Amino acid sequence: DTAVSQTPKYLVTQMGNDKSIKCEQNLGHDTMYWYKQDSKKFLKIMFSYNNKELIINETVPNRFSPKSPDKAHLNLHINSLELGDSAVYFCASSQVRLAGLPSSYNEQFFGPGTRLTVL
Amino acid sequence: AQKITQTQPGMFVQEKEAVTLDCTYDTSDQSYGLFWYKQPSSGEMIFLIYQGSYDEQNATEGRYSLNFQKARKSANLVISASQLGDSAMYFCAMREVNDYKLSFGAGTTVTVRA
Repeated sequence: DTAVSQTPKYLVTQMGNDKSIKCEQNLGHDTMYWYKQDSKKFLKIMFSYNNKELIINETVPNRFSPKSPDKAHLNLHINSLELGDSAVYFCASSQVRLAGLPSSYNEQFFGPGTRLTVL
Repeated sequence: AQKITQTQPGMFVQEKEAVTLDCTYDTSDQSYGLFWYKQPSSGEMIFLIYQGSYDEQNATEGRYSLNFQKARKSANLVISASQLGDSAMYFCAMREVNDYKLSFGAGTTVTVRA
């Protein structure tokens, strides 16, 4: 029973192409995220959706566009791929209530990652 | 400003010994949560342990324990009786009360030697 799944696991493409990464969670969580892990392993939040509403949009080029058709899915579309987009992209989900105290229920469950290589 | 600081880029530890991974954080919130994740070479992110800012006891999960010193804003992870399978990158992260996201540190690579 995969909790958070991502497809594809590997993506190799040429500069200038457009590509999408799909993410699905079966945990019933309200909140989903996209993180980018660069070559130095640093994890940085890109986007977050809560109940299909965009709530976090960090400083990310507008070539990156997230889409959440429902609260179980969060896809990432990237236009005009550049060499610097090469990284591992992680999808995650969690159950977060802003009004509530942080708790272990806020644990983020991560997908297996998508390794994007732009040539 | 960096919210989570992990100052040890890499550490070596002998099998069966304990290792402490440092993590300091920066927040003005009174309520926050601290998380540790493990990332083995296979790449997946594995949740290890959680500490809430109001928790009076240090968190423990099996061989993992968290040395939480609130006044110093530190949340160090202690791995006891290291095993070869503990070789991985370890990330400290924090969620503040009015934030949806986790802020991650730069990570510490642990290599366990036989």
